[in-house]
Amino acid sequence: EPEVTQTPSHQVTQMGQEVILRCVPISNHLYFYWYRQILGQKVEFLVSFYNNEISEKSEIFDDQFSVERPDGSNFTLKIRSTKLEDSAMYFCASSRLTGREQYFGPGTRLTVT
Amino acid sequence: GESVGLHLPTLSVQEGDNSIINCAYSNSASDYFIWYKQESGKGPQFIIDIRSNMDKRQGQRVTVLLNKTVKHLSLQIAATQPGDSAVYFCAEKGTQGGKLIFGQGTELSVKP
Repeated sequence: EPEVTQTPSHQVTQMGQEVILRCVPISNHLYFYWYRQILGQKVEFLVSFYNNEISEKSEIFDDQFSVERPDGSNFTLKIRSTKLEDSAMYFCASSRLTGREQYFGPGTRLTVT
Repeated sequence: GESVGLHLPTLSVQEGDNSIINCAYSNSASDYFIWYKQESGKGPQFIIDIRSNMDKRQGQRVTVLLNKTVKHLSLQIAATQPGDSAVYFCAEKGTQGGKLIFGQGTELSVKP
């Protein structure tokens, strides 16, 4: 069964450093998403991406965040200058149709020290 | 604004019993809902979805009920098993684009 994969599983970085989180969505999916989950809290939407451009973004997704689909398989989330409050689980998701049946990856745990 | 919430943070059931997990949503214009299961340290796992033009949808051992009148969603798990222990989230497709709005989650514990 196809699944979304994410690397790394855990990333530790110092405040102010740049991080890139990587995702490989399900191959025939066209819509891609990033969400985050702070420990013990609900999952929060960050950004959606379709046809090589951002479709929608939340207030969390400020100028420090960017997304890219550098090739036909990878989907990345970059945080330019990490802050302590960026520490969270980051989930990538993909879907064949917009918004529907979004399948999530296992997540990357980002720890900012 | 748009929001989705859950009635109970924890639910404990006996193995073999049926479980019912509830969810309230606030946006009457939402047209699609999903239930996810999240085990510790893992990503949300798609369980079942329902469109707003339906009242009920059944899957394998799971049923989702949608009551648009009171803006209520429930997930029923039949013959609950230890492997069903997890946090369950309902999510609402936001009316803007494809983003999902998640509720707080209900932790289901299954006692052997």
